Amino acid sequence: GNSVTQMEGPVTLSEEAFLTINCTYTATGYPSLFWYVQYPGEGLQLLLKATKADDKGSNKGFEATYRKETTSFHLEKGSVQVSDSAVYFCALSTRDDKIIFGKGTRLHILP
Amino acid sequence: DGGITQSPKYLFRKEGQNVTLSCEQNLNHDAMYWYRQDPGQGLRLIYYSQIVNDFQKGDIAEGYSVSREKKESFPLTVTSAQKNPTAFYLCASSAGVGYADTQYFGPGTRLTVL
Repeated sequence: GNSVTQMEGPVTLSEEAFLTINCTYTATGYPSLFWYVQYPGEGLQLLLKATKADDKGSNKGFEATYRKETTSFHLEKGSVQVSDSAVYFCALSTRDDKIIFGKGTRLHILP
Repeated sequence: DGGITQSPKYLFRKEGQNVTLSCEQNLNHDAMYWYRQDPGQGLRLIYYSQIVNDFQKGDIAEGYSVSREKKESFPLTVTSAQKNPTAFYLCASSAGVGYADTQYFGPGTRLTVL
């Protein structure tokens, strides 16, 4: 079946550091891939998505590239801010099943 | 503005009481979902609905019930049979199940059972 595996947290970085949160997936067919962000006490918001191989999703300085050969969709940001502190969820969706979420990675950014 | 609303944001109930959480969407989406989130945990699917008057159990449906009488509404009832109901509940919608499409979330309801 379809599944998503993302790195366990928490991840703690200093402000302006480089961020990578790893995400790999298993899926039949050709999934769409997503990163969602959840700020404390709120629902999830779509951060970025990619719908086919080699697509790059980007938003608010975050980027992720759909790598079919490595079945990965790693989230990156060149310089994080304190306001980026949140929980990040990787997810996939296919045309024959509902969306599948990873377990989430909590990110703490220190000033 | 299109979106999903959940009410109330905070809800307190006594043990043994049923409670209903509201979820409304004006995105004209066919599919709606309910998730439970416990502190420091990921999302667990409770129920989902692909169309009016139809719904399916998710991974943790025991102790919960839903209805889908209107396209825009998908209320969740937490019954007294749910052994540990205190949690953060999230409602979501999408164009449809199996559309490889984005899922949109409401702001959540935090339920505390005293």
